[in-house]
Amino acid sequence: GQNIDQPTEMTATEGAIVQINCTYQTSGFNGLFWYQQHAGEAPTFLSYNVLDGLEEKGRFSSFLSRSKGYSYLLLKELQMKDSASYLCAVSSNDYKLSFGAGTTVTVRA
Amino acid sequence: IAGITQAPTSQILAAGRRMTLRCTQDMRHNAMYWYRQDLGLGLRLIHYSNTAGTTGKGEVPDGYSVSRANTDDFPLTLASAVPSQTSVYFCASSPGLAGSDTQYFGPGTRLTVL
Repeated sequence: GQNIDQPTEMTATEGAIVQINCTYQTSGFNGLFWYQQHAGEAPTFLSYNVLDGLEEKGRFSSFLSRSKGYSYLLLKELQMKDSASYLCAVSSNDYKLSFGAGTTVTVRA
Repeated sequence: IAGITQAPTSQILAAGRRMTLRCTQDMRHNAMYWYRQDLGLGLRLIHYSNTAGTTGKGEVPDGYSVSRANTDDFPLTLASAVPSQTSVYFCASSPGLAGSDTQYFGPGTRLTVL
């Protein structure tokens, strides 16, 4: 099975930057996903990393280090609408996704 | 229909009753999945199907069954509901296998078993 750890909660101010870390231990590795989930809604895809390095998509970036079993999601220029849970998910050799418990980000004015 | 839909939106069920949660997608995706989401535990895979006619067990399959008679539909059945099955259930689909493809989630079904 997979062991995926991410912080439970983070709080930041509007306009600031927040970095959400995710560490994982997995039997084989086929990629790491980040999803966003607003309260009471379905998760939606944010990013996918399969190779080491940084992937940038507008205000959101995701980084992966396979040797360290580590990823982070960087949210820049925070907006109130970014208040949500952010889910780290790892795909292992059997091509199933295992999700972390999620990090709830609260953006304050 | 646009995307992936689930029914019902919410349900209160007496323990011991049988219940089927419905999931339909119109994106012609090959793979479909059922997850449950509980506070503090995140999303856990119940069952999956890589293509019509095939199904597989996920992390927490006990007490649940699925079928995949065609590409679009992937119902989840609780044969005899128990209170520990109280949860939010999400259906998802992806064009290919989960490991290399984005999953698209339905709006969820909130199930309470009393």
